[in-house]
Amino acid sequence: GQNIDQPTEMTATEGAIVQINCTYQTSGFNGLFWYQQHAGEAPTFLSYNVLDGLEEKGRFSSFLSRSKGYSYLLLKELQMKDSASYLCAVIDSNYQLIWGAGTKLIIKP
Amino acid sequence: DTAVSQTPKYLVTQMGNDKSIKCEQNLGHDTMYWYKQDSKKFLKIMFSYNNKELIINETVPNRFSPKSPDKAHLNLHINSLELGDSAVYFCASSQDWREAPGTQYFGPGTRLLVL
Repeated sequence: GQNIDQPTEMTATEGAIVQINCTYQTSGFNGLFWYQQHAGEAPTFLSYNVLDGLEEKGRFSSFLSRSKGYSYLLLKELQMKDSASYLCAVIDSNYQLIWGAGTKLIIKP
Repeated sequence: DTAVSQTPKYLVTQMGNDKSIKCEQNLGHDTMYWYKQDSKKFLKIMFSYNNKELIINETVPNRFSPKSPDKAHLNLHINSLELGDSAVYFCASSQDWREAPGTQYFGPGTRLLVL
């Protein structure tokens, strides 16, 4: 079966750094996405990785290791507005997007 | 301008009723999707259309029927609503589904509550 694992919930402090991990087992791989979803709102696109390595975009970075079936999302200089769920999603060999359940990130002052 | 819009945003209805949710995108995208997000926050794909053709049809009850009159619209009709249908339904769109299926733009969601 296809599986994407993320921690259910994480807590971090405003101004700090947090790393959200994602491991996946899918039939084929054509890319990995991170989405942010605030409570009661729709998911919004954050990043896309298809090659190994780190992609940096402002305060957010995403890392991929295809051989390990592993990715992480790194959030720096945390702000209260970063409190949200972060969803990891993988495109499989049939070009279907397989979603993780998301990690709820709680930011404390 | 709203990129992906859905109506209604909230829908409260009785078991056994038939209801429709409409979705429209003005991004010029070729592919549109319907997702169901349950109380555990899993996003489950239900259907996907590319240029009005059905390309993904997951195992959902046949009470759910999508209709795509043109590539900018993908509506979802649900017959004989059941309690378990209560969830948030998201519409999304993307460019060609082979090139970038993950860069999807989501509508605001329709919160369906079946009583």
